Amino acid sequence: NAGVTQTPKFQVLKTGQSMTLQCAQDMNHEYMSWYRQDPGMGLRLIHYSVGAGITDQGEVPNGYNVSRSTTEDFPLRLLSAAPSQTSVYFCASSYGGSSNTDTQYFGPGTRLTVL
Amino acid sequence: AQSVAQPEDQVNVAEGNPLTVKCTYSVSGNPYLFWYVQYPNRGLQFLLKYITGDNLVKGSYGFEAEFNKSQTSFHLKKPSALVSDSALYFCAVRPDRGSTLGRLYFGRGTQLTVWP
Repeated sequence: NAGVTQTPKFQVLKTGQSMTLQCAQDMNHEYMSWYRQDPGMGLRLIHYSVGAGITDQGEVPNGYNVSRSTTEDFPLRLLSAAPSQTSVYFCASSYGGSSNTDTQYFGPGTRLTVL
Repeated sequence: AQSVAQPEDQVNVAEGNPLTVKCTYSVSGNPYLFWYVQYPNRGLQFLLKYITGDNLVKGSYGFEAEFNKSQTSFHLKKPSALVSDSALYFCAVRPDRGSTLGRLYFGRGTQLTVWP
């Protein structure tokens, strides 16, 4: 069981470039989400999904797109990178799509710098 | 509005001493409370959670937390700190209703340093 995996670990982009952050889990979890971590601000929810084919916005969705074509994968796309998107990005998953009691398990993170 | 406060950015303790990392919360409805730990350049690791029942919750690595509804607190504790406990600790809350499904509201984190 690899748990939640994220690629790449590090990425440097120029302003205006696009890229996709990959997230995969092998635990057959229905719920997946993306957070960003900024110094002194904790983690903030970007987008989430309660199952394949279903996604919704979190607290800070602007500038990001997601899709969920399979249970295992939940990629995060930056359409036109901006310096304000410099952050550490974490993917998380949990078993249930509709339960608020489930524990979310986090991937190792992707550290993104936008110049 | 839902929120979590971790009033101390840093906590320093000597190895072998008890440690406490403080957390208070504000939610509508009943809270589900979580503690995570983050080691340098690593993801968040789950420590423990309170859903219902006994107010004292025991978790991984000898950590425990006490839910206090009247004080809206969920402080993390350990009787005897280890140098290896040095890390960044996050408290998180999820309301039982009326919020973005599954969303965790995180505190800003507390850096714990245990010196030998």
